[in-house]
Amino acid sequence: QVQLQESGPGLVKPSQTLSLSCTVSGGSISSGSYYWSWIRQPAGKGLEWIGRVYTSGSTNYNPSLKSRVTISVDTSNNHFSLQLSSVTAADTAVYFCAREPYSLVDYFGMDVWGQGTTVTVSS
Amino acid sequence: SYELTQPPSVSVSPGQTASITCSGDKLGDRYASWYHQKPGQSPVLVIYQDTKRPSGIPERFSGSNSGNTATLTISGTQAMDEADYYCQAWDSSTVVFGGGTKLTVL
Repeated sequence: QVQLQESGPGLVKPSQTLSLSCTVSGGSISSGSYYWSWIRQPAGKGLEWIGRVYTSGSTNYNPSLKSRVTISVDTSNNHFSLQLSSVTAADTAVYFCAREPYSLVDYFGMDVWGQGTTVTVSS
Repeated sequence: SYELTQPPSVSVSPGQTASITCSGDKLGDRYASWYHQKPGQSPVLVIYQDTKRPSGIPERFSGSNSGNTATLTISGTQAMDEADYYCQAWDSSTVVFGGGTKLTVL
């Protein structure tokens, strides 16, 4: 059974770049047809989709974050990554990674989620 | 940008039916998914493609989607169903979540 695990610094200084990784275990990140997504949730608030990467490397981003976000996939090490530049306190949140099966016709939702990692932006 | 609107809160008595709505422009033309999230935990997919339940999700969870509104229905609501619920759809290759609904079972 596929599992996802987020990792990265829990504290990032303002104006710096937040970098997180999501390791996929129990299966190959390049097998099957999946999007690999990042979602965040500020404390006490709702879910915000950040973006996703397909196994091929193609990406889709939330328009409100697009200018600061880069999501990439590393198939050789079975993980995908998030970089968010020029962070401010508003980027403080729990960051989740998730798997989203891809289909031309159907939509299967985000069926596997990581446990989430808390990132605080503060000097 | 596309937006999904949910009521902030819904209350239901144990054993009764809870309905949580999600509204968006022509949402019925898109597929809706639903997630529940308990405090300190990750979201869990409970409905996808409007009406389908993933393996392991109880039959009391059901969904519908027509016009501008998708609805998650929980029949025979149990105390364990108390959680935040989020709808989700996609538009122009971007994913959108609703603001979330807190379901209280009392």
